Amino acid sequence: ILNVEQSPQSLHVQEGDSTNFTCSFPSSNFYALHWYRWETAKSPEALFVMTLNGDEKKKGRISATLNTKEGYSYLYIKGSQPEDSATYLCAFWYNQGGKLIFGQGTELSVKP
Amino acid sequence: DSGVTQTPKHLITATGQRVTLRCSPRSGDLSVYWYQQSLDQGLQFLIQYYNGEERAKGNILERFSAQQFPDLHSELNLSSLELGDSALYFCASTPGGGRGTEAFFGQGTRLTVV
Repeated sequence: ILNVEQSPQSLHVQEGDSTNFTCSFPSSNFYALHWYRWETAKSPEALFVMTLNGDEKKKGRISATLNTKEGYSYLYIKGSQPEDSATYLCAFWYNQGGKLIFGQGTELSVKP
Repeated sequence: DSGVTQTPKHLITATGQRVTLRCSPRSGDLSVYWYQQSLDQGLQFLIQYYNGEERAKGNILERFSAQQFPDLHSELNLSSLELGDSALYFCASTPGGGRGTEAFFGQGTRLTVV
């Protein structure tokens, strides 16, 4: 069974707080790990696609790291802003059979 | 705008009926993926097509079927609809097989079965 787990399920922070989420995935048959940002009433948009163990990617205040050997990725948001409020999804590209499997997401709410 | 177009945006239908959801991928993208998002559930992978061929299957019910046409648009057919099929159905596309590239999502079709 391919299981992608994200924690926490939801997070409420104050503006300016830094935060991080975890994505756990099977460490075998790994090809890629995706992070997406999903705002209410919109469609998911890609943040990062990571393929190499030890990868670190950054986009503005958001960054992500990848550990394929132990099967986890972290997403960090530095100095959260209200516009960061969204659901953050990770997705595991399973190398056998070509499936992009999503976790349940972490819902972030940033209060001004 | 992701470039992926889904129609219709909303659909209300009765139990037992059949509906067809349509997806036009981004120009040039060969792969189309279908996902279902039910209440309090994440995105559940249904099926993937690559250049007209079925490539990967997830937890797709036997009452559901899909195909990808020569012009690369895809249709998801849902038949003998049940109340539990009410969900948001997304399609996404990628340029190739999708392994190392991000997926681009359509706006979704909200299906309500009454």
